[in-house]
Amino acid sequence: DSGVTQTPKHLITATGQRVTLRCSPRSGDLSVYWYQQSLDQGLQFLIQYYNGEERAKGNILERFSAQQFPDLHSELNLSSLELGDSALYFCASSVDLNEKLFFGSGTQLSVL
Amino acid sequence: ELKVEQNPLFLSMQEGKNYTIYCNYSTTSDRLYWYRQDPGKSLESLFVLLSNGAVKQEGRLMASLDTKARLSTLHITAAVHDLSATYFCAVDLYTSYIFGTGTRLKVLA
Repeated sequence: DSGVTQTPKHLITATGQRVTLRCSPRSGDLSVYWYQQSLDQGLQFLIQYYNGEERAKGNILERFSAQQFPDLHSELNLSSLELGDSALYFCASSVDLNEKLFFGSGTQLSVL
Repeated sequence: ELKVEQNPLFLSMQEGKNYTIYCNYSTTSDRLYWYRQDPGKSLESLFVLLSNGAVKQEGRLMASLDTKARLSTLHITAAVHDLSATYFCAVDLYTSYIFGTGTRLKVLA
């Protein structure tokens, strides 16, 4: 167990809908990362937060947004969902920048 | 366009053998990470390489970084079946991270 908790583990929804994925980092970790993994696009970095502030941004679509709350948990919001958004979404945390990451078990999103 | 290329993409090797996985990237960076992913599982962080010439070892795995050559290697010594997994490198661009394609390693008994 990495100590990083992601909910839900599985999510099935329809095109056009909006979903929220939640991540609770390890206790004491200030940095949270979001990644997307799919068969056709591989592993993609989406966004990183450090102590509530956005620190780095990758291939995150405008339909997607994220934030890190004062208690350091993070949410990834996906809206106007398309079939191509079906993927495994991972969250990871680290105690500080450039430190070893600890990954959650992921949320498997299926858009039908 | 930034590219992070790993080779080989697939590797089947006998137990006890040595092999190296290569990670080439096309832009300047002095930070690189290696991860392991077992089938159907999440990712596990293996190494954090933060400077040119950095070398880290854990068990049968050793990673190195040559920022001038824009190359990182993951060397496997005396492979065992438990090392079977997919290995990813990721380049840290300070404002983003780019992952390699992954190397699927299968160690045969």
